[in-house]
Order: sequence, then structure tokens, then C-alpha cells
Amino acid sequence: AQSVTQPDIHITVSEGASLELRCNYSYGATPYLFWYVQSPGQGLQLLLKYFSGDTLVQGIKGFEAEFKRSQSSFNLRKPSVHWSDAAEYFCAVGGGNNDMRFGAGTRLTVKP
Amino acid sequence: DGGITQSPKYLFRKEGQNVTLSCEQNLNHDAMYWYRQDPGQGLRLIYYSQIVNDFQKGDIAEGYSVSREKKESFPLTVTSAQKNPTAFYLCASRTTSANQETQYFGPGTRLLVL
Repeated sequence: AQSVTQPDIHITVSEGASLELRCNYSYGATPYLFWYVQSPGQGLQLLLKYFSGDTLVQGIKGFEAEFKRSQSSFNLRKPSVHWSDAAEYFCAVGGGNNDMRFGAGTRLTVKP
Repeated sequence: DGGITQSPKYLFRKEGQNVTLSCEQNLNHDAMYWYRQDPGQGLRLIYYSQIVNDFQKGDIAEGYSVSREKKESFPLTVTSAQKNPTAFYLCASRTTSANQETQYFGPGTRLLVL
């Protein structure tokens, strides 16, 4: 069965600093991978997704993620964090139909 | 203005009461989903439907029921059998076309027990 692990429950970075959020997955075939962001009390917004092709994918709000099959990882990065990026971030893996699995989330705090 | 709407934003349930959460989409998506979100646990799938008049249990269906009478609508009922209903409930939808696995989410409903 597929699963997703986000090792960091909470990360704090200074505004303007770079960011990397970790995501490791377990899946028996080529996965579809997603990163979503959630502001408090809101739904999930898609940041980016990987289905195939170039392993470095660009998303909205200046985020990017890299698929590394050898490490079963799909880490999210941003070169310079803004205060508005403070939110909870979810990694998800799916392979079709209705078997999407979400990680437990990483809460990002941005220091001024 | 296309998207997924959920209502109400907040819902209060009394002991022994059934309550229904609304989810409507105008994206012409075939598949719809209900998730429960608890702090520190990510999202867990309650029910999903790939087509009108058909739905399947997810991982935590006990104490919940759904219907899919229209493509646009997928209401979730939290029954009195659900002993710990306090959570944030998220509805999602997606097209079932090949290579279109992305789920899009509504704004959520927070359910609280009085």
C-alpha cells in the first residue's frame, strides 16, 4: 500500500531564507506526486504536481519540487520565503482512481 | 465562477443528531471525495464516488453516509453512530480522464459537537 511521510511536523524559517520541505513516499509503481498548501481554516490549494517527464517541476507562488526515484522523495523548495508562505503543506501520492494518500503535513512558520 | 463549494462553514451537532454537510461543484467533474482532517493526521478518506448513483467506502466510513443523485452534488451525513465527529471536513473532486489525477478541494466545513 502506498504511503507518504513528511518527517518535519513544524519548520521555522526567516523571511527571505530558502526553504526545503521533505516528502518521502512508498509506492509500487510510478507515482503521481502532489504538493498542496493549506491556510488556517481553508481548503487545500494545489502548488504543483509530477506525473512524468522532467523530474524538476515548477509550481505556483515560486515553489518547485524535485522527484528523485532512487530516494523515493519529492521535496518542495523555494529560494526565498515570504511571510505569506506561512501555512501547512501536504505532500500526496496517487496512482490513479481513488488511492491518493496524504502525508500528515508540515507547518511552516516564517519569522520576520 | 467555477469551483467547489461547501456549506455551512461551521456546523454544530448535538448528541444523537444526524447532520448533513453539503458539497457542490460546477467543474463537470465525475469523481467526488470526502475527507476528514484531524490535527497531525493529514487527510483520511471517508467516501468517494466516481459516477452518479454509485459510491464506495474509504478508510473511515463508519458513522458516515453519502448519496450521489446528481453529478454536481455529494452530500455527507454524519450520523449519531459517529462517536467522535469533531473535525474539519473537506470535499474534493476530479475528472476521471486519463492522466488527470489532480483533486481539487473545497473550503471545508468545521463540525463541532455541543
